[in-house]
Amino acid sequence: AQTVTQSQPEMSVQEAETVTLSCTYDTSESDYYLFWYKQPPSRQMILVIRQEAYKQQNATENRFSVNFQKAAKSFSLKISDSQLGDAAMYFCAYRTNAGKSTFGDGTTLTVKP
Amino acid sequence: NAGVTQTPKFRILKIGQSMTLQCTQDMNHNYMYWYRQDPGMGLKLIYYSVGAGITDKGEVPNGYNVSRSTTEDFPLRLELAAPSQTSVYFCASIVGYNYGYTFGSGTRLTVV
Repeated sequence: AQTVTQSQPEMSVQEAETVTLSCTYDTSESDYYLFWYKQPPSRQMILVIRQEAYKQQNATENRFSVNFQKAAKSFSLKISDSQLGDAAMYFCAYRTNAGKSTFGDGTTLTVKP
Repeated sequence: NAGVTQTPKFRILKIGQSMTLQCTQDMNHNYMYWYRQDPGMGLKLIYYSVGAGITDKGEVPNGYNVSRSTTEDFPLRLELAAPSQTSVYFCASIVGYNYGYTFGSGTRLTVV
């Protein structure tokens, strides 16, 4: 079974600074997808960014980017120019067949003004 | 465009009671999922469906049942509620495997 590990239960960042959230996963598959989701206090789950494993180029969405290291099975999320609205819990997720996903336990990000 | 709609948003059940969590999507997505999120944890898959009439178990299916008679609806049934089923339940859908989930707003269920 696949596992996803987020080793940082909590992180904090100063507003306008950059922060990186870590995620590692374990799989024997070669074709899969990786995602980062954001869950603010409202509880709503929001897609932040996604990465296809067959693509070597790291995905980028505005201030959010990933560092995907397939051989190391690592998928970190970098948030640049952090804003107060970025404060949330962030979940890393791995997906393979049938769209089923395995989620990490999350990292709570605090943004300090 | 409503996306994924879950009802109710909150519910308190007594041990042994039953209930159905409703999930409806208006995006014509074939793939739908039910997850539960325990406090301080990630989401765990309960059941999923790849199309009307097709359902399958996820990681934690015990105590739950689902049906998928239409593309739009994917209700989750709790039979004989137990305190271990206290959780937040999320319904999600996707149009294809490479897309991120569209989630409903969740149902917070407490079993006392």
